[in-house]
Amino acid sequence: DAKTTQPPSMDCAEGRAANLPCNHSTISGNEYVYWYRQIHSQGPQYIIHGLKNNETNEMASLIITEDRKSSTLILPHATLRDTAVYYCIVRGISGNTPLVFGKGTRLSVIA
Amino acid sequence: GAVVSQHPSRVICKSGTSVKIECRSLDFQATTMFWYRQFPKQSLMLMATSNEGSKATYEQGVEKDKFLINHASLTLSTLTVTSAHPEDSSFYICSAEQHGYTFGSGTRLTVV
Repeated sequence: DAKTTQPPSMDCAEGRAANLPCNHSTISGNEYVYWYRQIHSQGPQYIIHGLKNNETNEMASLIITEDRKSSTLILPHATLRDTAVYYCIVRGISGNTPLVFGKGTRLSVIA
Repeated sequence: GAVVSQHPSRVICKSGTSVKIECRSLDFQATTMFWYRQFPKQSLMLMATSNEGSKATYEQGVEKDKFLINHASLTLSTLTVTSAHPEDSSFYICSAEQHGYTFGSGTRLTVV
C-alpha cells in the first residue's frame, strides 16, 4: 500500500508557482521521498527526490518538513505542459524494490 | 541518462490471441525490471517483478499463467498476455532501476 496522501486534484494558473503537498506521516528514518509525474498516456517521469534536506533541480524544488512527515513539490513557473498526475512516493534506498504508486494529484495548469 | 524502451506503444488484438510486450534497457543492464498495469483514471498497479535468469515474482491476484514474463538477458524483459480478453485491455508499463527508476513509455493494449 502507498504510504502517502495527496489531494486528488489542483488547479494552477500558467506562470504561477504550483505547490503540491504530500503527507507521509509514517515515513521511516531511512526512507526517501520521491516525486514522479505522468503526462497522459505516457510512462512516469522522475522529477526529484530527497531525504531530509530541501532539494532543487532544473524541474522543481522539494521542501521537506523538519519532522519529515510531509513535503511539498514546487514547480516555480507552471506551464501548460506541466499538466499531469503527480505522484509522491516513499521508498527506502535499497535496490530492486518497486515503487508503489498512490492515487497522486492531478494538476491542471490553466491559461 | 538511463533509457528504457518499450514496444509496441499500441496494439489491438482479437480476443483469445496472445500479445507480447518488450521492455529493453538501452544503455544499462537491469537484473530486475518491474511490470505495471494501469486502468483508465487509476494509478499504476504493480503486476510482477521480472528477474534475469530466474522466475518472475507476481503480485497477489495476478495470474502467472496468463501474464508470462521472461527476462532472458540483462537488457530485455518480455510480458506476454496469453488468451487475451477485453478485460485485459489496459496500459502496461515497465520500469528498471539505474541510479533511480526509469519507466518505459507504456503499451496500450486493446482487446476486441
